[in-house]
Amino acid sequence: DQQVKQNSPSLSVQEGRISILNCDYTNSMFDYFLWYKKYPAEGPTFLISISSIKDKNEDGRFTVFLNKSAKHLSLHIVPSQPGDSAVYFCAARASAGGTSYGKLTFGQGTILTVHP
Amino acid sequence: GAVVSQHPSWVICKSGTSVKIECRSLDFQATTMFWYRQFPKQSLMLMATSNEGSKATYEQGVEKDKFLINHASLTLSTLTVTSAHPEDSSFYICSARGRGLTSYEQYFGPGTRLTVT
Repeated sequence: DQQVKQNSPSLSVQEGRISILNCDYTNSMFDYFLWYKKYPAEGPTFLISISSIKDKNEDGRFTVFLNKSAKHLSLHIVPSQPGDSAVYFCAARASAGGTSYGKLTFGQGTILTVHP
Repeated sequence: GAVVSQHPSWVICKSGTSVKIECRSLDFQATTMFWYRQFPKQSLMLMATSNEGSKATYEQGVEKDKFLINHASLTLSTLTVTSAHPEDSSFYICSARGRGLTSYEQYFGPGTRLTVT
């Protein structure tokens, strides 16, 4: 049961244009969403996050939008740069306590390629 | 920012042997560490959650006797793959969350590539 889905395995964008990465989720108990960037053979690096009580969070070139009714979030990168080429994972945290508090459920990832 | 290291970065072992992977938080105290594995072109799958000083909580389908997790101190957690088999070959990543860090943020190690021959 894939609770977090990134339906686009890859995305190719021209430098300077906008990159839009999408993520859908099914668990309404998720209360926090995060985007990570990952290079091959490295661990993910935190990029940006958004609380379920917000619908937008912006940090420089990166903006995350959350549509709770559609259970959908997206990451916008403007303008895209060749250095942004990596795998992007969205992740969600369930608002549960106990010993597994804070555990994240990841999507499958989207490979972003930004062409010069 | 918070730094998490893993050792070794890659390891090759023979089938039937055991391998230990270390995860260290270098500049903060990790009250909770998480262990993930990633198969090629797939998502990170949480294997277990480890709180310092207590037994790890394993996700459904993960054999706790095969993947031994120890979180003996606030800066070190270890994952031991016992009696490794070729199907255990994967990329193993740890992450850590500590006091003073935002509860929803985890900092990931660089991962360990395990190949079982």
